[in-house]
Amino acid sequence: NAGVTQTPKFQVLKTGQSMTLQCAQDMNHEYMSWYRQDPGMGLRLIHYSVGAGITDQGEVPNGYNVSRSTTEDFPLRLLSAAPSQTSVYFCASRPDWNTEAFFGQGTRLTVV
Amino acid sequence: DAKTTQPPSMDCAEGRAANLPCNHSTISGNEYVYWYRQIHSQGPQYIIHGLKNNETNEMASLIITEDRKSSTLILPHATLRDTAVYYCIVSPNDYKLSFGAGTTVTVRA
Repeated sequence: NAGVTQTPKFQVLKTGQSMTLQCAQDMNHEYMSWYRQDPGMGLRLIHYSVGAGITDQGEVPNGYNVSRSTTEDFPLRLLSAAPSQTSVYFCASRPDWNTEAFFGQGTRLTVV
Repeated sequence: DAKTTQPPSMDCAEGRAANLPCNHSTISGNEYVYWYRQIHSQGPQYIIHGLKNNETNEMASLIITEDRKSSTLILPHATLRDTAVYYCIVSPNDYKLSFGAGTTVTVRA
């Protein structure tokens, strides 16, 4: 049981490039979400999904796209990377709304 | 969502209990209180949550005041490995967790 797995762990992008951050969970959780964490700050919600085929925007969705074709996977796409998207990205899953969330170990993204 | 107020930092001695306060004066009836911690910029780790009653698990105890406007997380015997940022989160009956700045707890030998 691997929990929540994020890949890659580190990534450097040039401004304007696109890429996909991968997130997979093997716990059959319906709810998955993406957060970003800037230095010295708490996590901010980017997008979330309450089940396959259902996604919605969080607090800071601009510049990011998501889709949820399976229960297990919830990729985050950066359409055209900008230096302001330099951050640590965390994926999380939880089985229900009033239960604990499980977080991945993060992807550290630098946009130059 | 109700907002929370936590002290920015606190120290505690190894082996002693650590009491972490959180104010959430605008909490509404269907909102749970969650505590998470983050060690060395790793992914946040769930500690405990509750609605009205006090809760205890193998990691910590959560004490919620009767009016639910504040709560205290108690780490009964702090160790150096408990040094982390602790987040108090109030969340309604949906899936979203809103993280503030948290309390940086430093456990000293």
